[in-house]
Formats: sequence, C-alpha cells, structure tokens
Amino acid sequence: QEKVQQSPESLIVPEGAMSSLNCTFSNSASQSIWWYQQHPGKGPEALISIFSNGNKKEGRLTVYLNRASLHVSLHIRDSQPSDSAVYLCAVFGDNSKLIWGLGTSLVVNP
Amino acid sequence: GGIITQTPKFLIGQEGQKLTLKCQQNFNHDTMYWYRQDSGKGLRLIYYSITENDLQKGDLSEGYDASREKKSSFSLTVTSAQKNEMAVFLCASSIIRVSNERLFFGHGTKLSVL
Repeated sequence: QEKVQQSPESLIVPEGAMSSLNCTFSNSASQSIWWYQQHPGKGPEALISIFSNGNKKEGRLTVYLNRASLHVSLHIRDSQPSDSAVYLCAVFGDNSKLIWGLGTSLVVNP
Repeated sequence: GGIITQTPKFLIGQEGQKLTLKCQQNFNHDTMYWYRQDSGKGLRLIYYSITENDLQKGDLSEGYDASREKKSSFSLTVTSAQKNEMAVFLCASSIIRVSNERLFFGHGTKLSVL
C-alpha cells in the first residue's frame, strides 16, 4: 500500500527564518507531488507542485524532489506569522490516486 | 476564479440518523470529490464523480451514499451516523481526474454525532 510520511509533526520558527518541511513516499513511479496549506477551519489550498527531479521555486517557496531517495521537501524563505498553518504533502500514485500525508503544523512566532 | 460552497458548515446528528451534506462549485470543473478528515489520519477519499450522474467509490465508501445530479453539485449522505463520531468532510473539485491536477477545496462540514 502506498504511503506518504511527513516530518516533523510540528515546527516552530521565528519570523524571518527558513522553514523546512519533509515528505517521503513509497512509490518511485509516483507522478506529481503537491504541497497544500490548510489554515484552521478552512479547506486545503494548493501551494506548489513538482514532477521532475530537482527543484522548483515560486516566490518564497522552493521544492526539492529526489526520486531515488523517495523524498521531497518544501522550504519557505522569510517565514511570516501568516504562514502558520498545517502543510499537507500529497502524492499522485497509481491510477491517478492521490495519497495524503498527515501534515506538518508550522507556527511562525512574531 | 471560482468557489466551492459546502453546507452546512456544522452538522450535529443523532446516532442512527441519515445526514446529508451538500457541495456546490462554480469552476465548471468536471470532477468532484468527497474526503473525510480525521485528527491523526490523512485525508481519505469517500466518493468521487468524473461527470454528471457518475459515481466512483473511494477507499472509505462504506456507510455513505453520494449523488451528482448536476455538474455543479455533489452531495454526500451518511447513511447511519455512528455515536461519538466526529470528523470534517471536505468537498473538492478539479478540471479532470488525471495525475498532476490541482484540487480546489471547500471549507468543510464539521460533523458531530451525539
């Protein structure tokens, strides 16, 4: 059964710091990987996706994918209090099935 | 832009009751989804629909029915609410159901069963 694991479970950083979140998946043939942000009482909102090995940068966000090690990471530069949320990693596997991680809770202290 | 509207926002039911959750989208997306979100568990797919009147079971379909009578709406029925059940039900849509597609979510319906 395909699995997605996220670490750490929770992360506390000061305002302006870099936040680094990790996600490992079990299927090397996975398609794209998405990161979603979920604020309390709201639905998840897509942030960024990656398909090819390497990195992708959008604004303050950078994603790194290494398919050989089944690992993807999300880095948020200059973290802001408004970035405080749960971050979900979602991996497209076989038959376009989306597998979700449990999330990392990020708190950015002013 | 578009929006996904879920109603009601909060739903309190009694054990054994049949409960219906509704979802409307104005993206004109073909595919719609119902997910369940429990504390400590990842999002689990209950049902999805790739077009009007289509229904496909997800991993968690037992105990639920769904209906897609119009392209813009997708409803979910809990056929018999379980005592002390507490979860958030999330509706989502995407243009089509293929890999790499972004999902757009509503804000959820929070269910509590007494």
